[in-house]
Amino acid sequence: ETGVTQTPRHLVMGMTNKKSLKCEQHLGHNAMYWYKQSAKKPLELMFVYNFKEQTENNSVPSRFSPECPNSSHLFLHLHTLQPEDSALYLCASSQVSEGTSNSPLHFGNGTRLTVT
Amino acid sequence: AQTVTQSQPEMSVQEAETVTLSCTYDTSESDYYLFWYKQPPSRQMILVIRQEAYKQQNATENRFSVNFQKAAKSFSLKISDSQLGDAAMYFCAYRRRKTGNQFYFGTGTSLTVIP
Repeated sequence: ETGVTQTPRHLVMGMTNKKSLKCEQHLGHNAMYWYKQSAKKPLELMFVYNFKEQTENNSVPSRFSPECPNSSHLFLHLHTLQPEDSALYLCASSQVSEGTSNSPLHFGNGTRLTVT
Repeated sequence: AQTVTQSQPEMSVQEAETVTLSCTYDTSESDYYLFWYKQPPSRQMILVIRQEAYKQQNATENRFSVNFQKAAKSFSLKISDSQLGDAAMYFCAYRRRKTGNQFYFGTGTSLTVIP
């Protein structure tokens, strides 16, 4: 069993649909992340939650809405997406401590999203 | 702003041979961490190796080692005795040592292992 679990593995949705991506981590970490991975581009950080509070939002369109009900669960709610939003969406977690941290990211298997 | 550059979109290596993947980064910080991640077809990004910038000794994990050149801002990954299971995308990543959750990733290198 992986430490970070993402569902669904694949998702096809129309531009008018509403769907949610789910992520769960079993590592006891206190920070969770959403990344977008597109071909030939660096991973793009979308959202970060530390101790359930959103600490970063890298100018992500409002059609993406994150939710972090507790330190183990993270959701990404999707609505009225565009075809260019098709990508692999990766969830990750890490342990963040006060001051400094060399904790790496631990990733899930990702959700392959196709917007038609 | 920090940037990470991987100049080799694709590389190939014969099984059992050695291959080196390059990575350079740009930063004004003096203390930071560097990582190599592997992403096989299963899509899960797996940590391969990490290096702390304040350590001069190059990190090693079994067949994987790095050549960390701090002055040149270079962080290459050497894979020795390549195996078929090493075929994957490899991503170099940077993170500041101070508080901050931002990891900066390169565009990746696709490694093919030839039997």
